[in-house]
This record gives sequence, structure tokens and C-alpha cells, in this order.
Amino acid sequence: TQLLEQSPQFLSIQEGENLTVYCNSSSVFSSLQWYRQEPGEGPVLLVTVVTGGEVKKLKRLTFQFGDARKDSSLHITAAQPGDTGLYLCAGGYNNNDMRFGAGTRLTVKP
Amino acid sequence: DSGVTQTPKHLITATGQRVTLRCSPRSGDLSVYWYQQSLDQGLQFLIQYYNGEERAKGNILERFSAQQFPDLHSELNLSSLELGDSALYFCASSVEPGAHQPQHFGDGTRLSIL
Repeated sequence: TQLLEQSPQFLSIQEGENLTVYCNSSSVFSSLQWYRQEPGEGPVLLVTVVTGGEVKKLKRLTFQFGDARKDSSLHITAAQPGDTGLYLCAGGYNNNDMRFGAGTRLTVKP
Repeated sequence: DSGVTQTPKHLITATGQRVTLRCSPRSGDLSVYWYQQSLDQGLQFLIQYYNGEERAKGNILERFSAQQFPDLHSELNLSSLELGDSALYFCASSVEPGAHQPQHFGDGTRLSIL
């Protein structure tokens, strides 16, 4: 049973478009991380957010942590083919456990 | 390069067999995590070790076991293998345990059960 729900499961867009993917839970997170995984490789950490309402930017990627710390979003501006990959969110809980969502598989077509 | 090394990269075996997957954590990292990734289940947490001691257990089957050695490398043992055990197995490491710690992942071992 996934404690984290990520949506959409699959997303295919054209180069230059904007997109947003979501990570939701019924539980409160103590922290939340976003990872990107490319085929044949392990996930790579993009960002960690810990404060409700926190917004972090990484070039064309904007990460937001919900005020209640139960959800997060990742917005990509002007997507490029190099953004293609599996985007995973991982929520930390107060017992120090961390659980991953099933991911959003993004394809950006040139 | 994450600094986490997993061997072997690929493993093909038959049902009923036993295999051992090995992980060397990034230099300086004391905590090791094992995950199973299959197409329909996403990344499932199996078990975590910190400085040689088991720290947290996830959805790990009784047929699976793991340990972390004094030199901090870790092994995941899978026995009585079934077709459904075919998956990618990832090891990750972090400096300390804790949900806010960034985890550094290896490139995984792809296990295929025939």
C-alpha cells in the first residue's frame, strides 16, 4: 500500500511546455524529498523541503511544500528532452521513516 | 557518480535458488537502505541499517535478510526465489539515519528469475 500518491502516473508533453506533478498523502510529513531517476540508473536527489509553504527553485524546476505538509508539487517550466525521467517524491514521517511514491514518468518530446 | 557501488549489475537465476546482492556505501556514510523496484510497485523500502545495526524494517519478506558489516558494506540475501522476486534492487546510503537525510543511490542490481 502506497502511503504517497503521485499524479499523474504518466505524462507526455512537447518540448517547451510547462507541467506540474503532484505528491499527496493523508499523513503529515516531517520532510519531503524529490528525486529523478533515469533509465538504468538509481534515483538522484533534486531537493528537500521541510517547512510548510516552503518554495524552492532549481533552475526551471519549482518545488512547493503544502502549508499543512501533506502534499507537494513540482512545476517544470519550458520542459526539455533532458527532463525526461521518473520523478519520485519521498515523504519523511515523525518516526524517521521515509517512504517513496510510485512516481510520475515524464516524457518530453523534441 | 553517487559513490555507492552495487554488485552484480545483473543476475539471472532460477526459482528456488538463493542469491546475495552487495552494496558499498558512499565514503563517510554510515546508514544503508535497501529498496525493491518493480514496474507495478514503485520503489519499496525493504530495510535500513545504521553503523552495523538494523534500524528500520519495511516490506521485507521473511525469505529475505540483510546485514551491514563492520566495514559498513551491506549484503541483501534473497532465498527460495520466486518469479515475483524479479525486480531492480537498489541500495542507498546516507551520512546519518533520519527521514530528512539525502539518500545516495547505487545503479541497482537487476534480478531476473527464470
